[in-house]
Amino acid sequence: KAGVTQTPRYLIKTRGQQVTLSCSPISGHRSVSWYQQTPGQGLQFLFEYFSETQRNKGNFPGRFSGRQFSNSRSEMNVSTLELGDSALYLCASSPIPNLLTGQETQYFGPGTRLLVL
Amino acid sequence: GDSVTQMEGPVTLSEEAFLTINCTYTATGYPSLFWYVQYPGEGLQLLLKATKADDKGSNKGFEATYRKETTSFHLEKGSVQVSDSAVYFCALTRRVDSSYKLIFGSGTRLLVRP
Repeated sequence: KAGVTQTPRYLIKTRGQQVTLSCSPISGHRSVSWYQQTPGQGLQFLFEYFSETQRNKGNFPGRFSGRQFSNSRSEMNVSTLELGDSALYLCASSPIPNLLTGQETQYFGPGTRLLVL
Repeated sequence: GDSVTQMEGPVTLSEEAFLTINCTYTATGYPSLFWYVQYPGEGLQLLLKATKADDKGSNKGFEATYRKETTSFHLEKGSVQVSDSAVYFCALTRRVDSSYKLIFGSGTRLLVRP
């Protein structure tokens, strides 16, 4: 079974621009989460989507947004880029969460490395 | 709030040495616990998990036991290889309504010398 794929793998933008990152989950997985990884802040949760609905959101400004399509693919968008947005953006997918059995394991893609100049 | 604390790195070992990376957590309830590994230039790979107290997760020679009494989930391996050089992240899942999110430690870099 193919893993989580993310495109593009590398991206260079300038301040003030916007960017869209894409994530395709493992086949059959319906939950997609996004994380930001930086040397200073480590790994931080951005948001999670399930059945095209955002269910959870981390402590990030409104410039960070996302969406999920009916085929479970997800995109995240960052508007008005700032230097501090330079990071590795990781997408993770998981099966339908089962609150009784705890099937909440998340499987990560290779990430998109964004550099803002 | 929930948090994960890992030992600071880097940890430098010679090949075939014994590895321990400490991880302790603070959480309400009984979270599931995970170890993820990140090789240079790559994303995160699930290494092992444990979902309840006294569970032992194991994979590729790595082991970790969920210790509720000490709120710990230390990672161990009996004999490390150069190929184990990577950054290791301890994490727990925090349930938020009907879904989960991962809370990560700061990561511990392991360097194994031949």
